[in-house]
Amino acid sequence: EAQVTQNPRYLITVTGKKLTVTCSQNMNHEYMSWYRQDPGLGLRQIYYSMNVEVTDKGDVPEGYKVSRKEKRNFPLILESPSPNQTSLYFCASGEVDNSPLHFGNGTRLTVT
Amino acid sequence: AQKITQTQPGMFVQEKEAVTLDCTYDTSDQSYGLFWYKQPSSGEMIFLIYQGSYDEQNATEGRYSLNFQKARKSANLVISASQLGDSAMYFCAMREIDSGGYQKVTFGTGTKLQVIP
Repeated sequence: EAQVTQNPRYLITVTGKKLTVTCSQNMNHEYMSWYRQDPGLGLRQIYYSMNVEVTDKGDVPEGYKVSRKEKRNFPLILESPSPNQTSLYFCASGEVDNSPLHFGNGTRLTVT
Repeated sequence: AQKITQTQPGMFVQEKEAVTLDCTYDTSDQSYGLFWYKQPSSGEMIFLIYQGSYDEQNATEGRYSLNFQKARKSANLVISASQLGDSAMYFCAMREIDSGGYQKVTFGTGTKLQVIP
Protein backbone atom coordinates (compact mmCIF):
# COMPACT_ATOMS: atom_id res chain seq x y z
CA GLU A 1 0.00 0.00 0.00
CA ALA A 2 1.32 3.43 -1.00
CA GLN A 3 1.81 5.47 2.11
CA VAL A 4 3.73 8.06 4.06
CA THR A 5 4.57 6.86 7.55
CA GLN A 6 5.34 9.22 10.39
CA ASN A 7 6.45 8.26 13.85
CA PRO A 8 5.60 8.81 16.58
CA ARG A 9 1.94 9.90 16.38
CA TYR A 10 2.11 11.61 19.76
CA LEU A 11 5.12 12.96 21.60
CA ILE A 12 5.42 14.87 24.84
CA THR A 13 8.85 16.18 25.72
CA VAL A 14 10.58 18.84 27.75
CA THR A 15 12.33 21.99 26.65
CA GLY A 16 15.81 21.38 25.30
CA LYS A 17 15.65 17.63 24.87
CA LYS A 18 16.61 16.74 21.31
CA LEU A 19 14.06 14.76 19.35
CA THR A 20 13.57 13.31 15.89
CA VAL A 21 10.32 12.69 14.07
CA THR A 22 10.73 10.12 11.35
CA CYS A 23 9.06 10.12 7.95
CA SER A 24 9.24 7.40 5.34
CA GLN A 25 7.48 6.97 1.99
CA ASN A 26 7.27 3.90 -0.23
CA MET A 27 6.24 5.58 -3.48
CA ASN A 28 9.73 6.47 -4.73
CA HIS A 29 8.81 10.16 -4.60
CA GLU A 30 11.57 12.67 -5.12
CA TYR A 31 9.82 15.50 -3.29
CA MET A 32 9.31 15.44 0.48
CA SER A 33 8.27 18.17 2.85
CA TRP A 34 7.49 18.97 6.48
CA TYR A 35 4.64 21.20 7.67
CA ARG A 36 3.40 22.38 10.99
CA GLN A 37 -0.26 23.11 11.60
CA ASP A 38 -1.38 25.65 14.17
CA PRO A 39 -4.92 26.92 14.81
CA GLY A 40 -5.80 29.85 12.58
CA LEU A 41 -2.55 29.59 10.64
CA GLY A 42 -3.18 26.61 8.40
CA LEU A 43 -0.20 24.52 7.37
CA ARG A 44 3.15 26.21 7.10
CA GLN A 45 6.09 24.66 5.35
CA ILE A 46 9.18 24.04 7.49
CA TYR A 47 11.61 22.38 5.07
CA TYR A 48 11.39 20.54 1.81
CA SER A 49 13.60 18.31 -0.27
CA MET A 50 13.68 17.94 -4.02
CA ASN A 51 15.88 14.83 -3.96
CA VAL A 52 18.56 13.02 -1.97
CA GLU A 53 20.96 15.52 -0.38
CA VAL A 54 18.88 18.46 -1.72
CA THR A 55 16.99 20.33 1.00
CA ASP A 56 15.78 23.88 1.37
CA LYS A 57 14.03 26.08 3.88
CA GLY A 58 10.32 26.69 3.81
CA ASP A 59 8.51 29.51 5.55
CA VAL A 60 9.24 28.60 9.18
CA PRO A 61 12.58 26.73 9.36
CA GLU A 62 13.92 28.25 12.59
CA GLY A 63 14.57 25.65 15.26
CA TYR A 64 14.38 22.69 12.89
CA LYS A 65 16.81 20.57 10.90
CA VAL A 66 16.24 17.93 8.26
CA SER A 67 18.31 15.47 6.32
CA ARG A 68 17.74 13.44 3.16
CA LYS A 69 20.33 10.74 2.97
CA GLU A 70 18.00 8.25 1.31
CA LYS A 71 15.13 8.86 -1.05
CA ARG A 72 12.51 7.26 1.16
CA ASN A 73 13.37 8.96 4.48
CA PHE A 74 13.12 12.57 5.55
CA PRO A 75 13.48 12.97 9.33
CA LEU A 76 12.68 16.21 11.14
CA ILE A 77 15.08 17.07 13.94
CA LEU A 78 14.48 19.48 16.80
CA GLU A 79 17.86 20.02 18.41
CA SER A 80 16.55 22.03 21.36
CA PRO A 81 12.75 22.04 21.38
CA SER A 82 10.89 24.97 22.89
CA PRO A 83 7.23 25.34 23.90
CA ASN A 84 6.48 27.41 20.77
CA GLN A 85 7.20 24.30 18.73
CA THR A 86 4.20 22.58 20.24
CA SER A 87 2.17 21.80 17.15
CA LEU A 88 0.77 19.19 14.80
CA TYR A 89 3.40 18.16 12.27
CA PHE A 90 2.85 16.60 8.87
CA CYS A 91 5.24 14.98 6.48
CA ALA A 92 4.27 14.84 2.81
CA SER A 93 5.72 13.44 -0.38
CA GLY A 94 4.99 13.76 -4.07
CA GLU A 95 6.25 13.77 -7.61
CA VAL A 96 8.30 16.72 -8.80
CA ASP A 97 5.43 18.28 -10.70
CA ASN A 98 2.06 19.82 -9.97
CA SER A 99 0.46 16.64 -8.71
CA PRO A 100 -1.06 16.24 -5.23
CA LEU A 101 1.00 15.60 -2.15
CA HIS A 102 0.52 12.48 -0.06
CA PHE A 103 0.45 13.14 3.67
CA GLY A 104 1.42 11.14 6.68
CA ASN A 105 -1.02 10.85 9.57
CA GLY A 106 0.62 13.61 11.58
CA THR A 107 2.64 13.87 14.77
CA ARG A 108 1.23 15.81 17.67
CA LEU A 109 4.14 17.28 19.59
CA THR A 110 3.88 18.91 22.99
CA VAL A 111 6.92 20.65 24.47
CA THR A 112 6.62 21.57 28.14
CA ALA B 1 0.75 39.14 0.78
CA GLN B 2 -1.05 35.88 1.37
CA LYS B 3 -0.49 33.34 -1.36
CA ILE B 4 -3.67 31.45 -0.56
CA THR B 5 -6.64 33.18 1.04
CA GLN B 6 -9.62 31.40 2.53
CA THR B 7 -11.93 34.08 3.86
CA GLN B 8 -14.45 31.80 5.57
CA PRO B 9 -13.13 30.53 8.91
CA GLY B 10 -16.34 28.56 9.46
CA MET B 11 -19.48 27.63 7.57
CA PHE B 12 -22.70 25.76 8.19
CA VAL B 13 -24.69 23.89 5.58
CA GLN B 14 -27.88 21.87 5.76
CA GLU B 15 -27.59 18.19 4.97
CA LYS B 16 -28.28 17.45 1.28
CA GLU B 17 -27.64 21.08 0.28
CA ALA B 18 -24.69 22.27 -1.81
CA VAL B 19 -21.97 24.47 -0.34
CA THR B 20 -19.14 26.54 -1.83
CA LEU B 21 -15.87 27.08 0.00
CA ASP B 22 -13.92 30.06 -1.25
CA CYS B 23 -10.25 30.16 -2.17
CA THR B 24 -8.26 32.87 -3.91
CA TYR B 25 -4.60 32.63 -4.77
CA ASP B 26 -1.74 34.83 -5.79
CA THR B 27 1.05 33.77 -8.14
CA SER B 28 3.02 35.12 -11.06
CA ASP B 29 3.89 31.65 -12.32
CA GLN B 30 2.19 30.31 -15.42
CA SER B 31 2.35 26.71 -14.28
CA TYR B 32 0.86 25.82 -10.94
CA GLY B 33 -1.51 23.36 -9.35
CA LEU B 34 -4.42 23.97 -7.00
CA PHE B 35 -5.66 21.42 -4.51
CA TRP B 36 -8.24 20.92 -1.85
CA TYR B 37 -7.70 18.73 1.17
CA LYS B 38 -10.13 17.62 3.85
CA GLN B 39 -9.08 17.22 7.45
CA PRO B 40 -11.64 15.43 9.64
CA SER B 41 -11.47 15.62 13.41
CA SER B 42 -9.20 12.56 13.40
CA GLY B 43 -6.50 14.78 11.91
CA GLU B 44 -5.39 13.11 8.69
CA MET B 45 -5.13 15.10 5.45
CA ILE B 46 -7.30 13.65 2.69
CA PHE B 47 -6.76 14.79 -0.89
CA LEU B 48 -10.04 15.73 -2.59
CA ILE B 49 -9.47 17.40 -5.94
CA TYR B 50 -6.81 18.93 -8.17
CA GLN B 51 -6.83 21.62 -10.86
CA GLY B 52 -3.87 22.36 -13.08
CA SER B 53 -3.34 25.91 -14.24
CA TYR B 54 -3.52 24.84 -17.87
CA ASP B 55 -6.62 22.71 -17.47
CA GLU B 56 -9.47 24.28 -19.37
CA GLN B 57 -12.21 22.24 -17.77
CA ASN B 58 -13.16 22.52 -14.12
CA ALA B 59 -12.09 19.46 -12.16
CA THR B 60 -14.74 17.15 -10.72
CA GLU B 61 -14.45 14.17 -8.39
CA GLY B 62 -17.76 12.65 -7.39
CA ARG B 63 -19.60 15.22 -5.25
CA TYR B 64 -16.65 17.60 -5.34
CA SER B 65 -16.05 20.11 -8.08
CA LEU B 66 -13.58 22.93 -8.37
CA ASN B 67 -14.84 26.21 -9.78
CA PHE B 68 -11.64 27.50 -11.38
CA GLN B 69 -11.67 31.13 -12.53
CA LYS B 70 -8.14 31.83 -13.67
CA ALA B 71 -8.56 35.52 -14.43
CA ARG B 72 -9.98 36.11 -10.97
CA LYS B 73 -7.43 33.77 -9.40
CA SER B 74 -10.05 31.82 -7.58
CA ALA B 75 -10.43 28.08 -7.04
CA ASN B 76 -13.58 27.52 -5.05
CA LEU B 77 -14.59 24.05 -3.88
CA VAL B 78 -18.21 23.06 -4.41
CA ILE B 79 -19.60 20.14 -2.44
CA SER B 80 -22.94 18.94 -3.70
CA ALA B 81 -25.52 17.07 -1.62
CA SER B 82 -23.70 17.59 1.68
CA GLN B 83 -23.47 14.67 4.08
CA LEU B 84 -22.83 14.61 7.81
CA GLY B 85 -19.46 13.05 7.11
CA ASP B 86 -18.44 16.17 5.21
CA SER B 87 -18.09 18.03 8.51
CA ALA B 88 -14.37 18.78 8.64
CA MET B 89 -11.71 21.40 8.05
CA TYR B 90 -10.99 22.10 4.39
CA PHE B 91 -7.71 23.48 3.10
CA CYS B 92 -6.96 25.04 -0.25
CA ALA B 93 -3.36 24.73 -1.43
CA MET B 94 -1.21 25.81 -4.34
CA ARG B 95 1.91 24.22 -5.71
CA GLU B 96 4.30 26.24 -7.84
CA ILE B 97 7.50 25.27 -9.58
CA ASP B 98 9.91 28.09 -10.30
CA SER B 99 12.34 28.36 -13.20
CA GLY B 100 15.02 26.64 -11.14
CA GLY B 101 12.77 23.64 -10.63
CA TYR B 102 12.20 24.39 -6.95
CA GLN B 103 8.75 23.79 -5.58
CA LYS B 104 6.69 25.80 -3.19
CA VAL B 105 3.50 24.45 -1.68
CA THR B 106 1.35 26.96 0.18
CA PHE B 107 -1.78 26.29 2.20
CA GLY B 108 -4.61 28.53 3.22
CA THR B 109 -5.75 28.88 6.81
CA GLY B 110 -8.71 26.57 6.27
CA THR B 111 -12.50 26.62 6.48
CA LYS B 112 -14.32 24.60 9.09
CA LEU B 113 -17.49 23.17 7.58
CA GLN B 114 -20.29 21.85 9.74
CA VAL B 115 -23.15 19.94 8.17
CA ILE B 116 -26.43 20.26 10.05
CA PRO B 117 -28.92 17.36 10.01
